[in-house]
Amino acid sequence: EPEVTQTPSHQVTQMGQEVILRCVPISNHLYFYWYRQILGQKVEFLVSFYNNEISEKSEIFDDQFSVERPDGSNFTLKIRSTKLEDSAMYFCASSEWTGELFFGEGSRLTVL
Amino acid sequence: AQTVTQSQPEMSVQEAETVTLSCTYDTSESNYYLFWYKQPPSRQMILVIRQEAYKQQNATENRFSVNFQKAAKSFSLKISDSQLGDTAMYFCAFIGAGGTSYGKLTFGQGTILTVHP
Repeated sequence: EPEVTQTPSHQVTQMGQEVILRCVPISNHLYFYWYRQILGQKVEFLVSFYNNEISEKSEIFDDQFSVERPDGSNFTLKIRSTKLEDSAMYFCASSEWTGELFFGEGSRLTVL
Repeated sequence: AQTVTQSQPEMSVQEAETVTLSCTYDTSESNYYLFWYKQPPSRQMILVIRQEAYKQQNATENRFSVNFQKAAKSFSLKISDSQLGDTAMYFCAFIGAGGTSYGKLTFGQGTILTVHP
């Protein structure tokens, strides 16, 4: 069964460093998303991406964040200068339409 | 803005018994979708069941069924014949179907379900 894959599963970084989280969505899906879950809190929407541009973003998704689909298969989330509060589980998701999302296993980011 | 509320932080059930997880939501949209996602300790979020708001019939998926009360804005999940593998965090989620939601799911806080042998 097709699935969304994410790398790395866990990344530890120093505050101020750049981080890139990678995702390979399901191949025939057209919509891509990033969600975030701070430990013990609810899952929060960050950004949606369609037709090579951002469709919608939340207030969390500030200038420190960017997304890219560099090669037609990968979908990346970049955090330019990480802060302690960026520590969270980051989930990538994809969908054929904007309803049923398929999630990856998540990338845990720890900022020290 | 939509809100989704799960008022039960934790629930437990004996294997083979039935458990119901509660979810309420608030929206001004007339058409939308509701979901229950399961997040086991392995972390991946798995879709359990989906309900379209325009459908009056409650969705069922094997041992999982929902009680969708549109007027009350309630969407509970019933798990019958609970199994140890059902142990997980369960999230209720909402998405508008107005064509502008762009996959922006609104999640509840989650309910940790533990199934005891």
